[in-house]
Amino acid sequence: QVQLQESGPRLVKPSETLSLTCTVSGGSISGYYWNWIRQPPGGGLEWIGYIHYTGSTNYNPSLKSRVTISMETSRNQYSLKLSFVTAADTAVYYCAREGASDIWGQGTMVTVST
Amino acid sequence: DIVLTQSPGTLSLSPGERATLSCRASQTVRSSSLALAWYQQKPGQAPRLLIYGASSRATGIPDRFSGSGSGTDFTLTISRLEPEDFAVYYCQQYASSPLTFGGGTKVEI
Repeated sequence: QVQLQESGPRLVKPSETLSLTCTVSGGSISGYYWNWIRQPPGGGLEWIGYIHYTGSTNYNPSLKSRVTISMETSRNQYSLKLSFVTAADTAVYYCAREGASDIWGQGTMVTVST
Repeated sequence: DIVLTQSPGTLSLSPGERATLSCRASQTVRSSSLALAWYQQKPGQAPRLLIYGASSRATGIPDRFSGSGSGTDFTLTISRLEPEDFAVYYCQQYASSPLTFGGGTKVEI
């Protein structure tokens, strides 16, 4: 079955760029929307944005100026870049498929700290 | 943005009891698809999709979970709580951008 796995640095310094990759295995990246969603410690869920397999993107306006989501279809991967991070960006970051997200990665905890 | 307000914040129940969780939207969720979903999340785990389209159960979800509602008012009902159902539940609308989640309801023993 389709599985998602997030990867990337777990610790990022303030003002730098957070970079994560989601690898899709057991199925194709084509034909779907692919999301990034985050959850701060003890907090709720926040949608960051998505990329469609055609390459079109849609971002949360609250983060839009700092977010880029891209896709590498040949590798069945898509990526998140969040620039100028602060402690408020410390969270578990999830990749997930589709609007009603039926498949999620396990999540990766990213801490913003010196 | 569509703001989703979940109530109650915490629901204290016993196994075998019925749980009724509410999700109220600040604007009508688009009626063409009723793009409202419910998720269950346990500590240290990713959310799990329970309900999509307001009332359709996701694959493998037991029939004790049911969703209902339209417009701005939605409900998740767990007919008889099993020990594994004690968790946090989130509603989400995916009808319009930005996609938004409710603040969650914790169902505790």
